[in-house]
Amino acid sequence: AQTVTQSQPEMSVQEAETVTLSCTYDTSENNYYLFWYKQPPSRQMILVIRQEAYKQQNATENRFSVNFQKAAKSFSLKISDSQLGDTAMYFCAFMKRQTGANNLFFGTGTRLTVIP
Amino acid sequence: DSGVTQTPKHLITATGQRVTLRCSPRSGDLSVYWYQQSLDQGLQFLIQYYNGEERAKGNILERFSAQQFPDLHSELNLSSLELGDSALYFCASSSPSVTGELFFGEGSRLTVL
Repeated sequence: AQTVTQSQPEMSVQEAETVTLSCTYDTSENNYYLFWYKQPPSRQMILVIRQEAYKQQNATENRFSVNFQKAAKSFSLKISDSQLGDTAMYFCAFMKRQTGANNLFFGTGTRLTVIP
Repeated sequence: DSGVTQTPKHLITATGQRVTLRCSPRSGDLSVYWYQQSLDQGLQFLIQYYNGEERAKGNILERFSAQQFPDLHSELNLSSLELGDSALYFCASSSPSVTGELFFGEGSRLTVL
């Protein structure tokens, strides 16, 4: 079974500063995806960034980047130049790479507050 | 807009009642997933359907059931409702290829009084 652990229930960061959210996971699979989802107060689930486990290069999406350490089963999210709109719950998620059964396993989330 | 439509957006009912939540996936997506998010919790996977057939099952209670119809929309039926069933229920869909991305609807918020 896959488990995803987010050990930081809450974090805060000053506007324009950088913050890193932590995530570890446990799996015996070799082919999988890792994701960070953002859930703002509207409750919509928004995909922030995706990493394919077979790719060594860390994924980057504008101000968002990850530090993927496969051997350590670690997948942290770095948000640069934090903006007020980044205030949200952030969920780390794991997906086994297979056709037709792409269910996600989520961590418990980190509530991020960006302080003006 | 993810392209996944869920109805109703909000639902208030009493204990012991039965409700049905509906989901229309993105055009072309064959898989539908149901997740439950209780207050300030992560999303718990309930069940997945692929082209009308159950593909994977998670922590879904026996009081809950789901199905996917020939037009690929899905319904989640919740019966004998309890206070603890109050939650946000998300539907998501994905394409047939292994792209690794789920597209989420806006959720149906169920309140059981």
